Amino acid sequence: GAVVSQHPSWVICKSGTSVKIECRSLDFQATTMFWYRQFPKQSLMLMATSNEGSKATYEQGVEKDKFLINHASLTLSTLTVTSAHPEDSSFYICSASYGTAYNEQFFGPGTRLTVL
Amino acid sequence: AQSVTQPDIHITVSEGASLELRCNYSYGATPYLFWYVQSPGQGLQLLLKYFSGDTLVQGIKGFEAEFKRSQSSFNLRKPSVHWSDAAEYFCAVGVNNNDMRFGAGTRLTVKP
Repeated sequence: GAVVSQHPSWVICKSGTSVKIECRSLDFQATTMFWYRQFPKQSLMLMATSNEGSKATYEQGVEKDKFLINHASLTLSTLTVTSAHPEDSSFYICSASYGTAYNEQFFGPGTRLTVL
Repeated sequence: AQSVTQPDIHITVSEGASLELRCNYSYGATPYLFWYVQSPGQGLQLLLKYFSGDTLVQGIKGFEAEFKRSQSSFNLRKPSVHWSDAAEYFCAVGVNNNDMRFGAGTRLTVKP
């Protein structure tokens, strides 16, 4: 149980285009979803937290107009990287929580974004 | 502020040798503690977690971890390492408001 999927698993795009990444909780309703970014050989950095039906809460230093997050349902959150540039190339990982008392998050497999 | 420290960036052990990966945290209350493993280009796989109760926690793949409140530590151990254990290991602390903070990670290399 508690499976999270991401789509696509990898994407290559041209500079200036927008890319959408989907995160789905397959067998549970996710009250909260999280988006992380991971640079090579580094740890995960939380970008934003989103609750279903509410605006996402972004971490300091993350441009909310650049990284649009939509959490329209209890099983789907999307991250759109707008006007992507090479410096946005990274590994993006989502996770989902169903509000247990222990804050456990269930992680997706990640999406590798390469911007040319 | 809450923080997680993994003092060892890279560890190399021989196959069959024992392993201990260190994790220290800074948090005001009793934390929720996790260890994850990540293979190259993959997502995170949960190895084990501690919420309360017995301070020695058993996980998957033969891993265990011990919560020591007095040392603010949650070190990961395995008695005999296999070549397939080579990966990046992350310690994480669950804090309020569904937040989770990760350590910088420890890269494990296994020598034949």
